[in-house]
Amino acid sequence: GAGVSQSPSNKVTEKGKDVELRCDPISGHTALYWYRQSLGQGLEFLIYFQGNSAPDKSGLPSDRFSAERTGGSVSTLTIQRTQQEDSAVYLCASSLGWRTYEQYFGPGTRLTVT
Amino acid sequence: GQQVMQIPQYQHVQEGEDFTTYCNSSTTLSNIQWYKQRPGGHPVFLIQLVKSGEVKKQKRLTFQFGEAKKNSSLHITATQTTDVGTYFCAGVKAAGNKLTFGGGTRVLVKP
Repeated sequence: GAGVSQSPSNKVTEKGKDVELRCDPISGHTALYWYRQSLGQGLEFLIYFQGNSAPDKSGLPSDRFSAERTGGSVSTLTIQRTQQEDSAVYLCASSLGWRTYEQYFGPGTRLTVT
Repeated sequence: GQQVMQIPQYQHVQEGEDFTTYCNSSTTLSNIQWYKQRPGGHPVFLIQLVKSGEVKKQKRLTFQFGEAKKNSSLHITATQTTDVGTYFCAGVKAAGNKLTFGGGTRVLVKP
């Protein structure tokens, strides 16, 4: 079946512009995660959605970052007034539930802020 | 907050040799997962350990969960070039609900 998809695969934007990154999780997966990965680095947790619960936004680096998940499915990560340090690969992952379920990652969106 | 540390950060291995990478948590975990990310790719789930002292094997890979459920290890025997990548461990705090990833061990294999 279809895996996690993300769009766009690559995004180049000018400093100060807003960007929206999209994630389509696996159908039926109630948990959705956003991570950021800089070149050669680990996974930086950004935000976590689980069912109808309030999202865990503890990883968002600043108020320029926000995310929503509509209808318990598609999620959008928005970065306002982008900065060069926002350049990274943004990975989305979904899982069947929380705690003990494996995460399935999408291919990521490579964001370059010029 | 919960921290998951992995050592070493980098591992250069001669093809055919064995090596071990370690994962340590500052808190007791309910479970631990391991992922592999090939260069240019995204993390892919390898295995999950839940029980204290649990050992699981996948071909040349052996995963272990510590007795205190605060650490884990991944041992690879007879390393091959296909083992190149970054191996991440990720754990859920005993009373938590979020998977926390370690910083990863980047494995390079010398043919």
